Amino acid sequence: DIQMTQSPSTLSASVGDRVTITCRASQSISSWLAWYQQKPGKAPNLLIYDASSLESGVPSRFSGSGSGTEFTLTISSLQPDDFATYYCQQYNSYWTTFGGGTKVEIK
Amino acid sequence: EVNLWESGGGLVQPGGSLRLSCAASGFTFSTYAMSWVRQAPGKGLEWVSGVSGSGINTYYADSVKGQFTISRDNSRSTLYLQMNSLRAEDTAIYYCARVTGAAPGIGWFDPWGQGTLVTVSS
Repeated sequence: DIQMTQSPSTLSASVGDRVTITCRASQSISSWLAWYQQKPGKAPNLLIYDASSLESGVPSRFSGSGSGTEFTLTISSLQPDDFATYYCQQYNSYWTTFGGGTKVEIK
Repeated sequence: EVNLWESGGGLVQPGGSLRLSCAASGFTFSTYAMSWVRQAPGKGLEWVSGVSGSGINTYYADSVKGQFTISRDNSRSTLYLQMNSLRAEDTAIYYCARVTGAAPGIGWFDPWGQGTLVTVSS
């Protein structure tokens, strides 16, 4: 199985900060990567697919980049609604795997 | 509007069985692969199982292979997960999700259902 390692596991930031979350794959997954946001008690919500494609309706302050084994999710200016947990997911094959998650907390 | 709604969760004793259902609406169900993803309390996301649009091809995580069975009824736009020999470590919220991507059956999950809680305890 492909292992996905997210860092950091927790991030403290303030409104207006630029935030970057990293996801590393144990082997190359080309651009087959998605990012999700999850708030407490809610299902995950798709933000980014194919590493850098923004899902319709997602604010443009979210962006994704990377290919191969290293990927990043960037929030250009953190908003109050963005405090949540973020997960990456690789879909290089049917046996998809998720990263461990990054919790973005209020500083 | 695309919508997924899970049901069938609840409290079950260790060794027991449970069948989850996921009712889909707002899209042509048979043309999409579907998956189950679970989340143990306070933990991250774990893909459990997937099925092709036709229902012919099924896939399982090693942690549930031989224990869970995924299926679908395209005439009812409903996805199922039969869970047998349940253990405490199967306690989780179970989400169903539609699979979207360039290759059949492989891709990202969107949308997700609201989830159904399965608790395995005596």
